[in-house]
Amino acid sequence: DGGITQSPKYLFRKEGQNVTLSCEQNLNHDAMYWYRQDPGQGLRLIYYSQIVNDFQKGDIAEGYSVSREKKESFPLTVTSAQKNPTAFYLCASREQPATGELFFGEGSRLTVL
Amino acid sequence: EDQVTQSPEALRLQEGESSSLNCSYTVSGLRGLFWYRQDPGKGPEFLFTLYSAGEEKEKERLKATLTKKESFLHITAPKPEDSATYLCAVQPNAGNNRKLIWGLGTSLAVNP
Repeated sequence: DGGITQSPKYLFRKEGQNVTLSCEQNLNHDAMYWYRQDPGQGLRLIYYSQIVNDFQKGDIAEGYSVSREKKESFPLTVTSAQKNPTAFYLCASREQPATGELFFGEGSRLTVL
Repeated sequence: EDQVTQSPEALRLQEGESSSLNCSYTVSGLRGLFWYRQDPGKGPEFLFTLYSAGEEKEKERLKATLTKKESFLHITAPKPEDSATYLCAVQPNAGNNRKLIWGLGTSLAVNP
């Protein structure tokens, strides 16, 4: 079945550590997205990529980094520069950058200890 | 400024008690409006896309409608399994149209 796989589902990090969240899709979608979800704040866009080897900052990119070396993969690194990294992270994709619905993964919950 | 507002924030219904959720939007041209369902600890699940005023779409007990200023998600005779948070998102037709604008969601609880 086609879909988006995020891993790990739960992740614990000590302050000062970088962590990388994985996102893989087998939908052959061009565009991929990373969102952060916090209670009462809705979905906020971190980074998005419209095509391989290209990505753009979203609304809250500070403290995060991404890469898009393969069409199916869009990993997100939460760096030690991110001041409040504890959150639920969602990866999504869609067929074209500007049209159609987003398909989401199951999410990764990051907790900073 | 482009904006999406969902109401109510939370809704509690008895099984079989029909109701509607609202998504009001202010955008400089609408490219599409999306409804999603999200269960706790899971990613949002796509429900509907609406593109133009007057459009309606249905799926089981859910029906989504669209006007020039708002969308409604009507839930007919809901069941406990319909309990979830329902999210609305809008894609503007102008500017950086690759970014969706999200509402905060309506948390729906259906009691048996």
